[in-house]
Amino acid sequence: QVQLVQSGAEVKRPGASVKVSCKTSGYTFTSYNAHWVRQAPGQGLEWMGIINPSGGGTSYAQKFQGRVTMTRDTSTSTVYMDLSSLRSEDTAVYYCARDGSGWHQFDSWGQGTLVTVSS
Amino acid sequence: QSALTQPASVSGSPGQSITISCTGTRSDVGTYNLVSWYQQHPGKAPKLMIYEVTKRPSGVSNRFSGSKSGNTASLTISGLQAEDEADYYCCSYADSSPGFGGGTKLTVL
Repeated sequence: QVQLVQSGAEVKRPGASVKVSCKTSGYTFTSYNAHWVRQAPGQGLEWMGIINPSGGGTSYAQKFQGRVTMTRDTSTSTVYMDLSSLRSEDTAVYYCARDGSGWHQFDSWGQGTLVTVSS
Repeated sequence: QSALTQPASVSGSPGQSITISCTGTRSDVGTYNLVSWYQQHPGKAPKLMIYEVTKRPSGVSNRFSGSKSGNTASLTISGLQAEDEADYYCCSYADSSPGFGGGTKLTVL
């Protein structure tokens, strides 16, 4: 079955960077785009960006341009999301999600990774 | 500010039907039949309930149905059950980037 397993919770200082991993299994890794979505405490879902695991191409939400980098490792079927210059407002649960259709419809999700930014 | 507009909350009694609306623009909901709906229980990851406006993934109850008219999509849940109490989010494909609704909290009375 399709599984997306994310790395564990992180606590970071303001100004630091965080890298969250999402290891996939149960399907052909390079056949489906992956997205990152975050959710601040008590808030809604916010799309961050997309990566094409086949060629590595990315597109980021304008809000995160310059601060976010999404990469992949085809040898381990893992995608990564790196967010830099962290501030308190980046405290959130970060999810990876598989795009089942290629049209931004997310049919499988990771369990989420809590990133806490605090001094 | 969310790209799509949903009511903050809706409620219904067991057995009743409820509908959650999701209003976008001609640039997203109005142009593309690519609206999806997600259910999220507290502390859990979202779960896909409806995709391409009306389609249900395997394993999702047929009590859940979707529709669209103009710039507004809707999720209807019939025969409400206690386990349906959750947050619901809509999402639409758009040329630049997908947008989510702000979420609707469903309370089963």
